[in-house]
Amino acid sequence: AQSVTQLGSHVSVSEGALVLLRCNYSSSVPPYLFWYVQYPNQGLQLLLKYTSAATLVKGINGFEAEFKKSETSFHLTKPSAHMSDAAEYFCAVSDPSSGNTPLVFGKGTRLSVIA
Amino acid sequence: DAGVIQSPRHEVTEMGQEVTLRCKPISGHDYLFWYRQTMMRGLELLIYFNNNVPIDDSGMPEDRFSAKMPNASFSTLKIQPSEPRDSAVYFCASSPLSRPNSPLHFGNGTRLTVT
Repeated sequence: AQSVTQLGSHVSVSEGALVLLRCNYSSSVPPYLFWYVQYPNQGLQLLLKYTSAATLVKGINGFEAEFKKSETSFHLTKPSAHMSDAAEYFCAVSDPSSGNTPLVFGKGTRLSVIA
Repeated sequence: DAGVIQSPRHEVTEMGQEVTLRCKPISGHDYLFWYRQTMMRGLELLIYFNNNVPIDDSGMPEDRFSAKMPNASFSTLKIQPSEPRDSAVYFCASSPLSRPNSPLHFGNGTRLTVT
């Protein structure tokens, strides 16, 4: 069975600082990986996805993530945090070989940005 | 497109009452998912449909929960009778086509409070 682990339920950074949100996956086959963002009182929105093309994936709002098979990781980064980045971020995994099974989500990491 | 539409946005009810949550997926999306989000458990998949047919309801917590999708543009999640531990945010999401890398499109959720 696939799973993702997000290290740190809460991350706090200063405005302008590097954002690093960690995600490790468990999958018996090369997975598809996703990052979603949830702003207060809203549903989840897709930030970016990895589907076995380039290992460095660029998403919206200046975020990017790098797929590292050797480390089974898909960490999310942004060079300079903005106050508007404060939200909850979810990593998710799916198995390309198993048809249409739903995404498996991590428990989320809440990002706070300090002025 | 208006996106996935959920109603109501907020629901407050007393224990023992019936609660019905509604969802209108994005037109043309053939998969529909119901999720529940709580602080303790994170994002849990309750049930999902493909072309209006329930595929997997193993996440439905108890027989008190039921979901239907009478047509491609409407789904309901019903809790009868409701209990305080059902308090959560319930999300509906839809997805286009039958591809594992298709992103989910989430509604803004229904915040349910059972007193």
